[in-house]
Amino acid sequence: KQEVTQIPAALSVPEGENLVLNCSFTDSAIYNLQWFRQDPGKGLTSLLLIQSSQREQTSGRLNASLDKSSGRSTLYIAASQPGDSATYLCAVSSGSQGNLIFGKGTKLSVKP
Amino acid sequence: NAGVTQTPKFQVLKTGQSMTLQCAQDMNHEYMSWYRQDPGMGLRLIHYSVGAGITDQGEVPNGYNVSRSTTEDFPLRLLSAAPSQTSVYFCASSWEGEGSPLHFGNGTRLTVT
Repeated sequence: KQEVTQIPAALSVPEGENLVLNCSFTDSAIYNLQWFRQDPGKGLTSLLLIQSSQREQTSGRLNASLDKSSGRSTLYIAASQPGDSATYLCAVSSGSQGNLIFGKGTKLSVKP
Repeated sequence: NAGVTQTPKFQVLKTGQSMTLQCAQDMNHEYMSWYRQDPGMGLRLIHYSVGAGITDQGEVPNGYNVSRSTTEDFPLRLLSAAPSQTSVYFCASSWEGEGSPLHFGNGTRLTVT
């Protein structure tokens, strides 16, 4: 059974720092991996999607990498800002039907 | 283009009552799904659909029913509410295909007393 783990569960950094969030999964036979952001009381917003044949994706200050063989993904946030404060969730899909297995998230706090 | 719309935003039920959580999307997505989010448990899949007339169970389907009569709508029915169903419920949709991200609604916060 696929399991997704995110470490750390919470992270507090000063504004301007570069940071890395980690995600690991137990079954390397994934279809894609997605990173989401969730603000308090809100739904999830898709940040980056990495297909199984890809190694990384970039959007603005965000870069996500995927190493299927080791069952790991990282989300790199450059020059963090207070507006980046949110919970970041990693999820993997094992098939085309779109069902995702989620990690429990990393709660990020960026201090001004 | 409203995306994924969920109603209501909040609901309080008594044990044994039934209700339907509504979900609609205007992106012509084939795939729709329902998740529940609980503290310490993360998001777990309840039911999903890959098209009108096709539904299937996810990880935690007991106590919930779904149907998909149109591409746009995917309601979730609680047959007889229990306190264990107190949770935040999210509806999501996407195109089929490896490169299609999942789009989420803003959630329904349900309390069963």
